[in-house]
Amino acid sequence: TQLLEQSPQFLSIQEGENLTVYCNSSSVFSSLQWYRQEPGEGPVLLVTVVTGGEVKKLKRLTFQFGDARKDSSLHITAAQPGDTGLYLCAGGESWGKFQFGAGTQVVVTP
Amino acid sequence: EAEVAQSPRYKITEKSQAVAFWCDPISGHATLYWYRQILGQGPELLVQFQDESVVDDSQLPKDRFSAERLKGVDSTLKIQPAELGDSAMYLCASSLGAGGGTDTQYFGPGTRLTVL
Repeated sequence: TQLLEQSPQFLSIQEGENLTVYCNSSSVFSSLQWYRQEPGEGPVLLVTVVTGGEVKKLKRLTFQFGDARKDSSLHITAAQPGDTGLYLCAGGESWGKFQFGAGTQVVVTP
Repeated sequence: EAEVAQSPRYKITEKSQAVAFWCDPISGHATLYWYRQILGQGPELLVQFQDESVVDDSQLPKDRFSAERLKGVDSTLKIQPAELGDSAMYLCASSLGAGGGTDTQYFGPGTRLTVL
């Protein structure tokens, strides 16, 4: 089983600040998904990256897949209270399996 | 926009009782997943179906948990008897099932189970 490690585990910032969340593994994944989950709800897909070195932007969120497809990062610019949530990364393996990280809890205070 | 449906959203039961959760995946999605998530942690796979067949149930506590997807569409996860340690969020997800590791999973809203 390939393990995904997310860091930091918890991040508390003020509105308007920037933040970066990391997702690392010693193994290669075919794809990498990022989700945001709010309390009592299911994870909501933010992005899927499949190509090494790929960078995707979604408004204030920038996602990067490492060249070797072992790591990924999520950068949020000018964070807002609505960005608060549990950020999960999931690596795609063969046969439709996914390995999840433990998540990074982000809290953005006004 | 197509969504994964789950019911009930919340379930409170006493230990030793039986509970069942239902999931209806996005239409056309061949792969269906059941996950268990402890508060503040990442989801852990319980069972994965490809159409009506079980692909992976290695982490399913088979002495008390069962899952079925008889017609390859919707699915039911059952716990009997429930134990205090089963309190968690139970998530259903689906994907097209194209394989190769580049599929994308879409999650339902989950069922929050509390065992008293």
